[in-house]
Amino acid sequence: DTEVTQTPKHLVMGMTNKKSLKCEQHMGHRAMYWYKQKAKKPPELMFVYSYEKLSINESVPSRFSPECPNSSLLNLHLHALQPEDSALYLCASSPQTSGGLTDTQYFGPGTRLTVL
Amino acid sequence: QKEVEQDPGPLSVPEGAIVSLNCTYSNSAFQYFMWYRQYSRKGPELLMYTYSSGNKEDGRFTAQVDKSSKYISLFIRDSQPSDSATYLCAMNRGSTLGRLYFGRGTQLTVWP
Repeated sequence: DTEVTQTPKHLVMGMTNKKSLKCEQHMGHRAMYWYKQKAKKPPELMFVYSYEKLSINESVPSRFSPECPNSSLLNLHLHALQPEDSALYLCASSPQTSGGLTDTQYFGPGTRLTVL
Repeated sequence: QKEVEQDPGPLSVPEGAIVSLNCTYSNSAFQYFMWYRQYSRKGPELLMYTYSSGNKEDGRFTAQVDKSSKYISLFIRDSQPSDSATYLCAMNRGSTLGRLYFGRGTQLTVWP
């Protein structure tokens, strides 16, 4: 089973709201990722967690705050977002069996975020 | 120059046609090559995964990698309307933590 789940599917929030996106996988993968995807563009990497530790932060604004409570869960906390942050937010995971993050990434269905 | 180039299309073919999708890249360090299919407003779904040069076949799909030309292809045989989606190529250097380099994606429509 190569399933990554994400909740909620859709989220509408105002610029002063605080919300969280959630991602879960039960494949035993040890690397988890957050991507942002705008319409007709490829996914852009935001954060990478390896063994529950933040490995990569692609200079993402601090209004996005990732959290990895355990090896199966990944959260993205949102605060004071801007309308230009409206996008599809994708979570992915990979096995990381080789000791390096070269393994194939499996994506979740995404959360479609609209910031008003 | 972008590291991965992919013609965004759109590409429109009749049902049953053979579809050829391609990407070129500039970084010779790329070793892992993937094709993802993404339906509208959904997450990317892994279709094919290859390591280094060569061919890989899975049902109606064949992935080819030519590292000498820095060129990868995905062939879809007997295309179906359900194949209508955006196809993203992606690649990885193997030594950089978690970083996938994506093409822009090619939008494919298969009409009945």
